[in-house]
Amino acid sequence: DQQVKQNSPSLSVQEGRISILNCDYTNSMFDYFLWYKKYPAEGPTFLISISSIKDKNEDGRFTVFLNKSAKHLSLHIVPSQPGDSAVYFCAASANYGQNFVFGPGTRLSVLP
Amino acid sequence: EAEVAQSPRYKITEKSQAVAFWCDPISGHATLYWYRQILGQGPELLVQFQDESVVDDSQLPKDRFSAERLKGVDSTLKIQPAELGDSAMYLCASSLDGAVGYTFGSGTRLTVV
Repeated sequence: DQQVKQNSPSLSVQEGRISILNCDYTNSMFDYFLWYKKYPAEGPTFLISISSIKDKNEDGRFTVFLNKSAKHLSLHIVPSQPGDSAVYFCAASANYGQNFVFGPGTRLSVLP
Repeated sequence: EAEVAQSPRYKITEKSQAVAFWCDPISGHATLYWYRQILGQGPELLVQFQDESVVDDSQLPKDRFSAERLKGVDSTLKIQPAELGDSAMYLCASSLDGAVGYTFGSGTRLTVV
């Protein structure tokens, strides 16, 4: 029973274009969401967060959108760069930052 | 830049043997987490500490896994006996305030043969 789903295992995007990574969740109690990026042989690195009281949070090239009614969030990267090639994990918490549940990840490849 | 230290980076062990991983969180981080990441899946929480106390170990297979954080600083995760299905990346993370995201270590890649 996967509470956080990332239905696209992989995504390829041309450099300079927009990358859109999607995440769906089933638990309506989730109130805080994070995106992490992971390079091979390294631990995940925190990218951006959003709480359920917002529908958008922006940090440089990264923007996260939250649609609570659809239980859906997405991460937009624009413009995409080759260094963005990594696995991206969506994570959700029902307790404001405690016990995050992670999705299975989406591997993003940004092609030069 | 402060980081979460984990050792070893890689460990190969035979099944039925004991294995231990060590984590030193960022100084001052009261909350420490151990996660397991199986290839192709997202990290899943094994145990959460607040200082030296276990807050959540509901997903820890207690028949073979144990974790301790005796002085509320560094932590050890042990598996005894190891099974083939334990092969995974074991990640340690720490946080001051979980709402701004955990800081993960580089992990220990365990291979059980």
